[in-house]
Amino acid sequence: NAGVTQTPKFRVLKTGQSMTLLCAQDMNHEYMYWYRQDPGMGLRLIHYSVGEGTTAKGEVPDGYNVSRLKKQNFLLGLESAAPSQTSVYFCASSPGGETTGELFFGEGSRLTVL
Amino acid sequence: GQNIDQPTEMTATEGAIVQINCTYQTSGFNGLFWYQQHAGEAPTFLSYNVLDGLEEKGRFSSFLSRSKGYSYLLLKELQMKDSASYLCAPLDSNYQLIWGAGTKLIIKP
Repeated sequence: NAGVTQTPKFRVLKTGQSMTLLCAQDMNHEYMYWYRQDPGMGLRLIHYSVGEGTTAKGEVPDGYNVSRLKKQNFLLGLESAAPSQTSVYFCASSPGGETTGELFFGEGSRLTVL
Repeated sequence: GQNIDQPTEMTATEGAIVQINCTYQTSGFNGLFWYQQHAGEAPTFLSYNVLDGLEEKGRFSSFLSRSKGYSYLLLKELQMKDSASYLCAPLDSNYQLIWGAGTKLIIKP
C-alpha cells in the first residue's frame, strides 16, 4: 500500500536554483497539503488544495508555488531557493468532509539550500 | 490569535502511565486531533475528539473539554516504542489543523 509518496526524499540546492517536489497519493483523497517542519516548531502550512484544479495559500506561501492538475498529484515548486527554505517538507492528504483532520503523510523530503 | 500550548518535553518509565496536556485557542472549532511523530519520521494519526469526553483506543485515550479549550492524551502501559513527539492539533473554523510544536516524550527503562 503506497499511500502518500514524495519525491525526492533528499535534495541539496544552491541559492537561486529552482526545483519541484512531487507528491502522489493513491487513496482518491480530495484534499492535499504541503507543510514544512523546522526544529522546535510546529508544522506550518504552505499551500493546500481541496480538489483537482484548485489551490490555496496557507500560513507561509511566499517563495513557493503549487499545482494540482490531477487529483492524485500535488506539486510544490521553489522558484528561487533561499537558505531560509532549508527544511523538511511533508505532503499530506485527507478524504475531506468529517475526516478532514485525519491526515495521511508522506515520508518527507529533506531540502538543504546552501 | 490561534495558539496551542503543550509541555515541551516529558519523561516517563516503561510500564507506567503518562498524561500529555494541551490547551488551545482557535477561531472556531471542529475537533481536536492527536498525532504521533517518531524522530525523523512523518506524523501519524492517533485519535480524534469532536465532543466532550473520553475516547479510548487501546492503550491510548484522548479527552476533550471544549468549554475549557483543553485536551489530554493518556498513554497506558508505556513501551519503549512510545518514545516520540505527540502533536495536539485543533481543527479551526476553516477546517485547517492548527499545529503546536508538540511534546517530546522520553521513555526510560
